[in-house]
Amino acid sequence: AQKVTQAQTEISVVEKEDVTLDCVYETRDTTYYLFWYKQPPSGELVFLIRRNSFDEQNEISGRYSWNFQKSTSSFNFTITASQVVDSAVYFCAAYNNNDMRFGAGTRLTVKP
Amino acid sequence: DSGVTQTPKHLITATGQRVTLRCSPRSGDLSVYWYQQSLDQGLQFLIQYYNGEERAKGNILERFSAQQFPDLHSELNLSSLELGDSALYFCASSPQLGRETQYFGPGTRLLVL
Repeated sequence: AQKVTQAQTEISVVEKEDVTLDCVYETRDTTYYLFWYKQPPSGELVFLIRRNSFDEQNEISGRYSWNFQKSTSSFNFTITASQVVDSAVYFCAAYNNNDMRFGAGTRLTVKP
Repeated sequence: DSGVTQTPKHLITATGQRVTLRCSPRSGDLSVYWYQQSLDQGLQFLIQYYNGEERAKGNILERFSAQQFPDLHSELNLSSLELGDSALYFCASSPQLGRETQYFGPGTRLLVL
């Protein structure tokens, strides 16, 4: 079974700061998928990214970037120049063979 | 607006009862996923359907069942409800089998009293 750990329960930053959300996963599989989701205060879930285990290239999408490192079993998420609208709970997840595990989430608060 | 609709938005029922949650995926999306979010268990993947067939089964209890109909909408049936089933139930859809991207509905908040 897989396990996903988001050690940071809550993070608070001031607008325009960069912030990195950590995600560490455990799996015995060689093929797996990693995800990040956002849940703003309004409560809906928003899919951010999917990464498969064979693709260790980092990804950038606007102010968002993801750093996947197999060597440390980490899939960290960085928000550059944070904005108030980035305030949300962010979940990391891992999936393979019908087994999908979510981390407990990191609550990010961006203050103006 | 993701294009995924879920009904009802809120549901209050009693222990031992049965409820049905409904999800309409985005137009053209073939995969539907169900997730549960509760205070105790956090986010959990329940089940995935693809074009009418079950494709992946997660932490779905035996008291729960789901199906996807020919028009691709899906229903999640929860029976013999317990207090611990109180949760937010999300439906998501994606165009194909994989989770390359997912579009989430607003969720159904279930309260079991």
